[in-house]
Amino acid sequence: GAGVSQSPRYKVAKRGQDVALRCDPISGHVSLFWYQQALGQGPEFLTYFQNEAQLDKSGLPSDRFFAERPEGSVSTLKIQRTQQEDSAVYLCASSSSLAGELDNEQFFGPGTRLTVL
Amino acid sequence: AQKVTQAQTEISVVEKEDVTLDCVYETRDTTYYLFWYKQPPSGELVFLIRRNSFDEQNEISGRYSWNFQKSTSSFNFTITASQVVDSAVYFCALDSGNTPLVFGKGTRLSVIA
Repeated sequence: GAGVSQSPRYKVAKRGQDVALRCDPISGHVSLFWYQQALGQGPEFLTYFQNEAQLDKSGLPSDRFFAERPEGSVSTLKIQRTQQEDSAVYLCASSSSLAGELDNEQFFGPGTRLTVL
Repeated sequence: AQKVTQAQTEISVVEKEDVTLDCVYETRDTTYYLFWYKQPPSGELVFLIRRNSFDEQNEISGRYSWNFQKSTSSFNFTITASQVVDSAVYFCALDSGNTPLVFGKGTRLSVIA
């Protein structure tokens, strides 16, 4: 399995619950990105990691959103006290090059579809 | 500001027809990359092509072709002799290096047998 994997593929949460979404990037990829894709929209950037360092979190919509990549491989996106507007597909992507290097092909996972009731 | 506009929300064609998906972008950077991705119902974004701002040569890959025109800030995608398996949402994206990858809203293509 050489691709980016994400789990769970589907998550249903009651409003107010906390959720954790996992991303397993391609082995050896230094860059990892999280995107949020609302229904009928394109993916929107949330945050970026270079190895274990979170270098850009400008896209996180609120302080309820938190991401980590403690060992520079697997990453977790956590959403606290979920709200209905958090319902979306959360996509993870990894790359062997660094953000800012223009020849930066990102490989995307299948996403986690989060539904908040 | 970086912006990508895909004016066509949905397109339906009959199998074997040719179809062109439009993409218009905005950036003040002189160096940038443009991408097309395919998103089938499974949800995964599949990379189709990357083109840098200094290479305006059109590209053909099988039934796919891309027309990059800096003068009109467009990077259009044509599928020749469309097939049902081409049905998906297609996204155009812009990477200027200084900002995160910016996607358009996508065009949903339905190819009817």
